[in-house]
Amino acid sequence: GNSVTQMEGPVTLSEEAFLTINCTYTATGYPSLFWYVQYPGEGLQLLLKATKADDKGSNKGFEATYRKETTSFHLEKGSVQVSDSAVYFCALSDPAGTGGFKTIFGAGTRLFVKA
Amino acid sequence: DADVTQTPRNRITKTGKRIMLECSQTKGHDRMYWYRQDPGLGLRLIYYSFDVKDINKGEISDGYSVSRQAQAKFSLSLESAIPNQTALYFCATSDSSNRGDIQYFGAGTRLSVL
Repeated sequence: GNSVTQMEGPVTLSEEAFLTINCTYTATGYPSLFWYVQYPGEGLQLLLKATKADDKGSNKGFEATYRKETTSFHLEKGSVQVSDSAVYFCALSDPAGTGGFKTIFGAGTRLFVKA
Repeated sequence: DADVTQTPRNRITKTGKRIMLECSQTKGHDRMYWYRQDPGLGLRLIYYSFDVKDINKGEISDGYSVSRQAQAKFSLSLESAIPNQTALYFCATSDSSNRGDIQYFGAGTRLSVL
């Protein structure tokens, strides 16, 4: 079945460092790919999305490109801030067979950013 | 006000008790989901519902049941709670009129089963 694998954390960076969180997927067909972020004490919220090969999703300085040839969707940010400290989840949409979608999530990667 | 509201936010219960977690939404979405989050395992789908008359099992439905009382309400029950059901539970919604693949989450219910 479809699955998502992302790098284990925690990832600890200093402010203004470059961030990469790796994500690879296994899927039949052409799923949409997502990054969700979970801030402490909150639910997940969508960070960015890409719906087809070579699409780049971007939001709040974060970017990820849908790479079909490497089945990857790595999250990057050029200069992280303390406020980016959170757990990041890579995910894909999985057809549910009844016209809708389920979402399959990776295990999450915790990011700590030090001032 | 939150668009997806979960109650209670925290709950401690004892083994064998029946408990209900509730979820309501004001987003007008037709699809609702229940997940549990465990450290290192990400989110796993328990049940999902694409409309009021539709209920489907997710990957870890054993020991759980759900009720979709209205389009805006989706409750999760643990019939006889056990300690390995201690987890963070999330309700989510999506909108079929907008592809339906983006999920909107509540703030979660932290459940401890002693």
